[in-house]
Amino acid sequence: AQSVTQPDIHITVSEGASLELRCNYSYGATPYLFWYVQSPGQGLQLLLKYFSGDTLVQGIKGFEAEFKRSQSSFNLRKPSVHWSDAAEYFCAVGMDSSYKLIFGSGTRLLVRP
Amino acid sequence: EAGVAQSPRYKIIEKRQSVAFWCNPISGHATLYWYQQILGQGPKLLIQFQNNGVVDDSQLPKDRFSAERLKGVDSTLKIQPAKLEDSAVYLCASSLQGSGANVLTFGAGSRLTVL
Repeated sequence: AQSVTQPDIHITVSEGASLELRCNYSYGATPYLFWYVQSPGQGLQLLLKYFSGDTLVQGIKGFEAEFKRSQSSFNLRKPSVHWSDAAEYFCAVGMDSSYKLIFGSGTRLLVRP
Repeated sequence: EAGVAQSPRYKIIEKRQSVAFWCNPISGHATLYWYQQILGQGPKLLIQFQNNGVVDDSQLPKDRFSAERLKGVDSTLKIQPAKLEDSAVYLCASSLQGSGANVLTFGAGSRLTVL
């Protein structure tokens, strides 16, 4: 069955430091990949997506993610974190074979001043 | 463009009571989704509509949950009777189409607490 794993429940980084959030998926074909961010009391907002082509995708707020087929991964990165980036981040997988969008369990990012 | 509207934002009920949540998607979006997000977990799809037809309701607990999308626009999700484990945020989302490549736009959610 298709699944999405975000191995880190919490990550704490200092403001200005770099960030990498991990995401691994299980799916037989090339999936559609998404990263969403959720601030407290808010719905989910799309950061970026990968459908095909260049495996390094750029998103909003200075985020980028790289699709690595060999590792079944789609890790999210940001070179310099801002305090306003503190939120929960969800990786998600969409498939041609169904209409479902499957979410990981999320990674909560805390930013130290 | 107006976003996905949901109401109420917060609801507290006692177990065995009933509750209903309303969602108004983005104008022109054919596909509407209801997700359940339990604290500490990622959203889980409950039901997906394409216009006013159900595409996927395989994870909807049909003995207590029901949803409808009359006229292919607004949608209502109902829980009757509620259980303690139904405490969660109920997220409504919409998209232009229902394929796996679609980008979903989410509402702010309706937080349910069952006592």
